[in-house]
Amino acid sequence: KAGVTQTPRYLIKTRGQQVTLSCSPISGHRSVSWYQQTPGQGLQFLFEYFSETQRNKGNFPGRFSGRQFSNSRSEMNVSTLELGDSALYLCASSLARGRTSSTGELFFGEGSRLTVL
Amino acid sequence: AQTVTQSQPEMSVQEAETVTLSCTYDTSENNYYLFWYKQPPSRQMILVIRQEAYKQQNATENRFSVNFQKAAKSFSLKISDSQLGDTAMYFCAFMKLSSGNTGKLIFGQGTTLQVKP
Repeated sequence: KAGVTQTPRYLIKTRGQQVTLSCSPISGHRSVSWYQQTPGQGLQFLFEYFSETQRNKGNFPGRFSGRQFSNSRSEMNVSTLELGDSALYLCASSLARGRTSSTGELFFGEGSRLTVL
Repeated sequence: AQTVTQSQPEMSVQEAETVTLSCTYDTSENNYYLFWYKQPPSRQMILVIRQEAYKQQNATENRFSVNFQKAAKSFSLKISDSQLGDTAMYFCAFMKLSSGNTGKLIFGQGTTLQVKP
């Protein structure tokens, strides 16, 4: 069974640009969540999608957005990039039944490392 | 709001020895999960061990065990017979168990563990 796949793995952008990151969850997983990892702030929750609906959102500005498609694949977008957006962006999927996860375990991808110059 | 605190930024242990990583959390919730995740250098994060708050018995997974003290809001990880492959950053994480919170983990700042030969 394939794991969580994130693309691209590495990317470099300049301030003011926008970026789209993609995440393919484990087959059968309907919940996809996104996290930002930086040395200073650690791991912070961005948002979670289930059945194409955003179910939960962290404390990030509106420049950070996401969506989920009918096949559970998810994308996140960051517009008007700032230097502080440089980070490792992690996607995680889980086997959520209805509105409650069966085990709570999240399966993480390898991440997309974004550098903003 | 929930918070998770790991007070040991870095630790080291000799191969085959035992090490304990500390974690405390703060919450007013009664139903939740606690996790320890491992993030090896440049590799994806994986689940080490999980504890349901309603279970009094401490979780164990082979060489990994936890000491869960619900009243003290403490959740430490013990690694026995440490192996070189245990070298990684370890994150303690909290998940509230209520509808709409699947996929949202609150992470501690992490503890970098180095296992020395």
